[in-house]
Amino acid sequence: DAKTTQPTSMDCAEGRAANLPCNHSTISGNEYVYWYRQIHSQGPQYIIHGLKNNETNEMASLIITEDRKSSTLILPHATLRDTAVYYCIVRVHWVDNFNKFYFGSGTKLNVKP
Amino acid sequence: NAGVTQTPKFQVLKTGQSMTLQCAQDMNHEYMSWYRQDPGMGLRLIHYSVGAGITDQGEVPNGYNVSRSTTEDFPLRLLSAAPSQTSVYFCASRGVPDTQYFGPGTRLTVL
Repeated sequence: DAKTTQPTSMDCAEGRAANLPCNHSTISGNEYVYWYRQIHSQGPQYIIHGLKNNETNEMASLIITEDRKSSTLILPHATLRDTAVYYCIVRVHWVDNFNKFYFGSGTKLNVKP
Repeated sequence: NAGVTQTPKFQVLKTGQSMTLQCAQDMNHEYMSWYRQDPGMGLRLIHYSVGAGITDQGEVPNGYNVSRSTTEDFPLRLLSAAPSQTSVYFCASRGVPDTQYFGPGTRLTVL
């Protein structure tokens, strides 16, 4: 049960904004949305996370809809090095103080020259 | 500050052999986890630990054992390797805010 739905792949031209969508229609009120990426089968790398409000950091922006059923990760100026698999993840409380991260299959972003 | 390190990077085992995948972190994080990633799929949680001496099962714990004697180390043991355990294994530690830092992975093939 991945809890998120993402397109299998997307293309983006170098220098343009990459907008990666994610559906998480069953998300609960206290569950966070995280984004990670994985380059060339390396360990996943943290990008950004949020609960309700839009978030921005040096890597990306995260836009969460008001009903929280979907979100969009925005890479403002994609470069070839941003080619990777991007995972949209819902973090849920599991047991005790441990929160579980549900990884889906991710979106393969291909940035093209 | 090396972050999360894993050894070995690659390993080939025969069915029935046992081995230990090593994981260490130098960030003084309490929480650590082991995941496996099969081709074309996301990561699935094997075992996790919320501190030294405390471990628990994740989604796919069968065939694996863990222990946590120190904050830094969280080894994963394969008791009797099977071809179904061919996968890439990632160790992660968790800091504040609740953000996971992943190691580079161990690519395991069981023949």
